[in-house]
Amino acid sequence: DAVMTQTPLSSPVTLGQPASISCRSSQSLVHTDGNIYLSWLHQRPGQPPRLLIYKVSNRFSGVPDRFSGSGAGTDFTLEISRVEAEDVGVYYCVQTTQFPLTFGGGTKVEIK
Amino acid sequence: EVQLVESGGGLVQPGGSLRLSCAASGFTIKSHWMSWIRLAPGKGLEWVGNIKQDGTETHYVDSVRGRFTISRDNARNSLYLQMDSLTAEDTAVYFCASSFMDVWGKGTTVTVS
Repeated sequence: DAVMTQTPLSSPVTLGQPASISCRSSQSLVHTDGNIYLSWLHQRPGQPPRLLIYKVSNRFSGVPDRFSGSGAGTDFTLEISRVEAEDVGVYYCVQTTQFPLTFGGGTKVEIK
Repeated sequence: EVQLVESGGGLVQPGGSLRLSCAASGFTIKSHWMSWIRLAPGKGLEWVGNIKQDGTETHYVDSVRGRFTISRDNARNSLYLQMDSLTAEDTAVYFCASSFMDVWGKGTTVTVS
């Protein structure tokens, strides 16, 4: 199984400042079709998760451009260029390249 | 409006069974692999399993394989999760979602106690 390790566990940030979350996979996430199926989700308390980024760096429809994803191989990063109040919550990376699908443990973003 | 609505959660004793349903509207599930994903108290998201568009293929996480069964009725635009031999470790909010994870329900709570 591909174990997904996220860091940090918690990220207190100042409004308007950047934030960065790392996600490392224990195995290569390159699918046989050549794509890397690594996505990022955001979950606010009491709400279902929302898709932000898919296939490493593709912003999903309606996602603000302050969110960006990057990475290759087994190391991936989600960056928020300027954190806004609505960005609080837990962020998860998830790989859908191979079964079982696996999530990172989550990173809680909160405002200082 | 695209909606997935889960139902069927509740309180069940250890060893018991529950069947969850997920009804889709504004979204045609027959075109999509569909997943069940859960969020246990104090823990992160965990993928439970998924099912292919035509129902001919299913996959499960090891912890539920042999106890949980995912099925679908494309004519009813609905997804199901049959959960047997439940344990306290299955206590969670259960979400149905497209396997692309762009569409999610609000979840239904299962408590095993």
